[in-house]
Amino acid sequence: DGGITQSPKYLFRKEGQNVTLSCEQNLNHDAMYWYRQDPGQGLRLIYYSQIVNDFQKGDIAEGYSVSREKKESFPLTVTSAQKNPTAFYLCASSTLQQETQYFGPGTRLLVL
Amino acid sequence: GEDVEQSLFLSVREGDSSVINCTYTDSSSTYLYWYKQEPGAGLQLLTYIFSNMDMKQDQRLTVLLNKKDKHLSLRIADTQTGDSAIYFCAVLLYGQNFVFGPGTRLSVLP
Repeated sequence: DGGITQSPKYLFRKEGQNVTLSCEQNLNHDAMYWYRQDPGQGLRLIYYSQIVNDFQKGDIAEGYSVSREKKESFPLTVTSAQKNPTAFYLCASSTLQQETQYFGPGTRLLVL
Repeated sequence: GEDVEQSLFLSVREGDSSVINCTYTDSSSTYLYWYKQEPGAGLQLLTYIFSNMDMKQDQRLTVLLNKKDKHLSLRIADTQTGDSAIYFCAVLLYGQNFVFGPGTRLSVLP
């Protein structure tokens, strides 16, 4: 089955803690994206990557970091610098031509 | 930058047609999309239209694009309770990234 997987489904963060959200795809897509979703708002782009070992900041990158060591994987770290991390995080991927973007099931991050 | 707007809520009766509207500001859009999101889930691509098309039909879904007014709509025929979800309009600008609207929450009443 081809697709995008995200784990965990729910994640709890304590104050001052860094947490990492996993995103894996087996669609052979070159481009991968991280979005943040808050209630009543559209998706906001955090980071994106079009090729291994390269990534660019999106609109709200502060307090987040990413890596792209493999084509299939694009983990997102929510650092302690992100003061309001509670949100639903969505990972997506596309071909470089970007005709369509496919989404994973999401990770809900909650702060304890 | 690009701005994509949608009304936040829509209620319809089961069996009626639903029309969800979207407006955007940048005329250099290449592709325009409709996604569906059910509670607690990711976004599911419903359909998309290339910017040189006026209309696209796919079973119960009809997409209309008015480039002059920068207006995109999604019509769902014979709306069912399973269609209750949030519907996102998204626009891809040439050489740039996707821009999403805030989503329209569709409620289907029995």
